[in-house]
Amino acid sequence: EAQVTQNPRYLITVTGKKLTVTCSQNMNHEYMSWYRQDPGLGLRQIYYSMNVEVTDKGDVPEGYKVSRKEKRNFPLILESPSPNQTSLYFCATAGRVNTEAFFGQGTRLTVV
Amino acid sequence: GQQLNQSPQSMFIQEGEDVSMNCTSSSIFNTWLWYKQDPGEGPVLLIALYKAGELTSNGRLTAQFGITRKDSFLNISASIPSDVGIYFCAGPGKADSWGKLQFGAGTQVVVTP
Repeated sequence: EAQVTQNPRYLITVTGKKLTVTCSQNMNHEYMSWYRQDPGLGLRQIYYSMNVEVTDKGDVPEGYKVSRKEKRNFPLILESPSPNQTSLYFCATAGRVNTEAFFGQGTRLTVV
Repeated sequence: GQQLNQSPQSMFIQEGEDVSMNCTSSSIFNTWLWYKQDPGEGPVLLIALYKAGELTSNGRLTAQFGITRKDSFLNISASIPSDVGIYFCAGPGKADSWGKLQFGAGTQVVVTP
């Protein structure tokens, strides 16, 4: 079964404590991306990756890092989380042929 | 960023009614995608459109790729309570690259019995 798996689903953390949200896909997709979703602001792209070792900034990259060492994984790293990074985060993937993006189930992050 | 104009923002309808929403872009798109999102869950792909004028159905859902390639429409016929959710249009950005997928702001659909 085609899957995009994010972990954890829910996370409450304190300001400044480094955290990583993982994303894994089993569809051999080249493209992977991270979005955050906030009320009234819709889905905003944080970072994306066109392939292994190829990443680029999206619209709201400040305060985030990513890496793409393997095709299937695309972790999102918050080195020093702040309360304004409290949000619902989604990982998405797509193959090279069709631009049909598939989303993970989401990670709800709260930074206190 | 979000450069797709999606309307309406929200719809309150009675069970059995039809629902229509649309999305417009200032630039030409080669692909239009329609998603549904349930509360707290990830968006789920409903329909993908690849050719201008294309009309595609998925059960009670029908979507069309506008002739001008700058718009798309989604219709839900005979709505039922489980149609409740937020519907998003999406498409590749100006560079026609999936890396810059753009989203509409969403249409919140509420279905009352």
